[in-house]
Amino acid sequence: KAGVTQTPRYLIKTRGQQVTLSCSPISGHRSVSWYQQTPGQGLQFLFEYFSETQRNKGNFPGRFSGRQFSNSRSEMNVSTLELGDSALYLCASSSGTGNQPQHFGDGTRLSIL
Amino acid sequence: QKEVEQNSGPLSVPEGAIASLNCTYSDRGSQSFFWYRQYSGKSPELIMFIYSNGDKEDGRFTAQLNKASQYVSLLIRDSQPSDSATYLCAVNIGSGGAQKLVFGQGTRLTINP
Repeated sequence: KAGVTQTPRYLIKTRGQQVTLSCSPISGHRSVSWYQQTPGQGLQFLFEYFSETQRNKGNFPGRFSGRQFSNSRSEMNVSTLELGDSALYLCASSSGTGNQPQHFGDGTRLSIL
Repeated sequence: QKEVEQNSGPLSVPEGAIASLNCTYSDRGSQSFFWYRQYSGKSPELIMFIYSNGDKEDGRFTAQLNKASQYVSLLIRDSQPSDSATYLCAVNIGSGGAQKLVFGQGTRLTINP
């Protein structure tokens, strides 16, 4: 079974630009969660989508948004990029029912110049 | 108080010994608990998950949960150099099947040959 696939693996942007990251979950998984990982703050929850609906949201500004499509693939968008948005962005998928564990993709490394 | 706390380490253990990793959490309503291993430059990899009080064993790994004390631990028996990594404790604070993982800062483990 293929794992969670994130594209692109690396991105370099400048301040003020926007970026869209993509995540394809494990086949059959309906829940997709996004996390930001930085050396200072660790792994922080951004949001979770299940059946095309945002089910949970973390404490990030509105510049961070996401969506999920009918095939469970998800995208995350960050607008008006800031230097502090430089991070590893991780996507994780699970069946979304009960307390099933999440499995992570390889992440997208975003660098803001 | 942070929601999930771990000793950041580094924790140094000789090869063949037992490594003990600890985690405390603040949300008494949490129902599911996870341990992830993260090698440098890689994404987190699920090692164990536990939902009920007591011990859960999988090969060389044992997860222990004590909900009354709000304490989760991971034991690694017969530690190998390949176990050297950062271990992340995660607690699901979502409700009704929703998933919102809160991570500790991670414990860096080094196994010395």
